[in-house]
This record gives sequence, structure tokens and C-alpha cells, in this order.
Amino acid sequence: EIVMTQSPATLSVSPGERATLSCRASQSVSSNLAWYQQKPGQAPRLLIYGASTRATGIPARFSGSGSGREFTLTISSLQSEDFAVYHCQQYNYWYTFGQGTKLEIK
Amino acid sequence: QVQLVESGGGLVKPGGSLRLSCVASGFTFGDYYMSWIRQAPGKGLEWISHISSSGINTGYADSVRGRFTISRDNARNSLYLQMNSLRAEDTAVYYCARSTSTSCTWFDTWGQGTLVTVST
Repeated sequence: EIVMTQSPATLSVSPGERATLSCRASQSVSSNLAWYQQKPGQAPRLLIYGASTRATGIPARFSGSGSGREFTLTISSLQSEDFAVYHCQQYNYWYTFGQGTKLEIK
Repeated sequence: QVQLVESGGGLVKPGGSLRLSCVASGFTFGDYYMSWIRQAPGKGLEWISHISSSGINTGYADSVRGRFTISRDNARNSLYLQMNSLRAEDTAVYYCARSTSTSCTWFDTWGQGTLVTVST
């Protein structure tokens, strides 16, 4: 099983600032990596797939990068609606998710 | 619009069974792989099963293999998850999710989830 590790577990950032979230795979997943946003009581929402392609309707302030084992989700200027939990997911070999990073208001 | 709606969750005793359903609308259901993904309270996401667009191919996580069965009825735009021999650790919100026309990919549409609680 490919283990996905996200860091940090919790990230405190002020609105308007940049947030950088990390996701590491236990082995290479090429660019087969997706990011999701989840707000309390809601289902996850797809943000990024193919490590760097934004899903339909996702604002340009969300960007993904990386390949192989190391990946980053960057939110360039945080809006109030961006504070949520973010999950990474590999789909190179079956499917596994990271444990999530909670992005909270500083 | 593209929508998935789950139902069938509830409270069940350990060792019991439950059948979840997911009805799709707004897209050609039979063109897509579908999955069930769960989230235990306060925990992360866990993929548990998928089924090919035709229903011929299925896959399961080790944690549920032999106890859960995924199926679909493309004529009814419906996805199912038969859950047997339920355990306390199966307690979670269960989501159905749409993948793409191929197998292992991302999930671009999710239902709102249905809560399954396994307890005495």
C-alpha cells in the first residue's frame, strides 16, 4: 500500500497570506495525485488532479506542483472560504488518501 | 446538474448487514467508474471499493474484502454497497464518488454521504 503523509497536521495562516501544504508518498506516484477541500459537514470537493491541473470552477489562487514522491498545494491569497481541511490522494496504484491538513485562521 | 445522492445508512448491531444506495443524475452514469469512500468520525478518507462502468470489474480495500459487495444498475442510474458482518470500526460516513471512464483516477463528484453506525 502506498502511504500518503501530509504536513503539517494543522496550519495557521492569516487571510490574504499564502498557504503551502505538503504531501509525501511512500513511493513514487508519478503525477497521479489529487487534492480535495473539505468543509465541516460537507463532502470533499476536487481541487487539483494530475498534480497540477485545476478542476472545473476552481479559482486560480489554488495551484498544485510536484511529481514522484513530493507534492505541494499552494493557496496564493487566502480567502475566508478557504479555511478547511485539505486531503491529498494518490491514484497511481489503487487509491490512498493522506490524513489531511487543517487550514485554520491565524 | 451532476449529482449523487446516497441513502441506506443507519444504526446496526455488530455482525449485522446494511445496504447502501447511491442514485446518480445529470450525467451518463454508465460511462463512469464509481467508488465508495468512507470517513470515520474525526478521521481521514478511506477508499473501500470501486466498480467499472459496465459492472464487470470490481476492487476492494483489504479492510472490507469478503464482507462488502459493490454493484450497480446502469438502467436505474444506481450504485450499491452490500455490507455484511459489520464491525464497530466500520462506523463512518459513506460517500459514493464518480471517477472517470478508466480505472484508478481522481474523484470529481461526491455525494453528501450517509452515516453508518455499528454499535450495540
